[in-house]
Amino acid sequence: QTVVTQEPSFSVSPGGTVTLTCGLSSGSVSTGYYPSWYQQTPGQAPRTLIYSTNTRSSGVPDRFSGSILGNKAALTITGAQADDESDYYCVLYMGSGTVVFGGGTKLTVL
Amino acid sequence: QLQLQESGPGLVKPSETLSLTCTVSGGSISSSSYYWGWIRQPPGKGLEWIGSIYYSGSTYYSPSLKSRVTISVDTSKNQFSLKLSSVTAADTAVYYCAQMGVGATNFDYWGQGTLVTVSS
Repeated sequence: QTVVTQEPSFSVSPGGTVTLTCGLSSGSVSTGYYPSWYQQTPGQAPRTLIYSTNTRSSGVPDRFSGSILGNKAALTITGAQADDESDYYCVLYMGSGTVVFGGGTKLTVL
Repeated sequence: QLQLQESGPGLVKPSETLSLTCTVSGGSISSSSYYWGWIRQPPGKGLEWIGSIYYSGSTYYSPSLKSRVTISVDTSKNQFSLKLSSVTAADTAVYYCAQMGVGATNFDYWGQGTLVTVSS
């Protein structure tokens, strides 16, 4: 079974830029996997940030951007703020109506 | 603004069937554009997709849960439901319902989630 991989943790300084990635245990991520990204703070439901690789969900600031970098999907946060400290999950569409979550990245802003 | 609300028992005994309902407001579950999904998150762990349904009743299930999951839709009540049979403590989780985007490739709107504990 294909595993969707994410960095377990990452840290960024306030005002800095960070890129989180989403890969496959076997193969490369392309736009055909329709990568999407979600932000979750403790005790809250996830919030949709990005879908279809690079389309921001309504109300999401343009500090958040999505792309394909090499063989992975990527979420870049520019000008990191304290309230960006959250867990970030990617989702890949595997075809035939199935999707898979990555294990999530815990982002620390310090 | 679309809103989703999960409801159902917060405590289920081992070997029994977990049943949850998601009520959709601010939009029609019969919209031809969207799928509707269930996701869960065990305490302290990551998110896991359970399955999805179209208003017509067409379903997709996670391969790891397929043998125990049934998702159904009631368009007259603007609701969709989840049943997970033969539960164990490993099924203890916060269960979320969500609207999925066109083609069921991503999640758009999320419910607030409901904690279901499996314990005798």
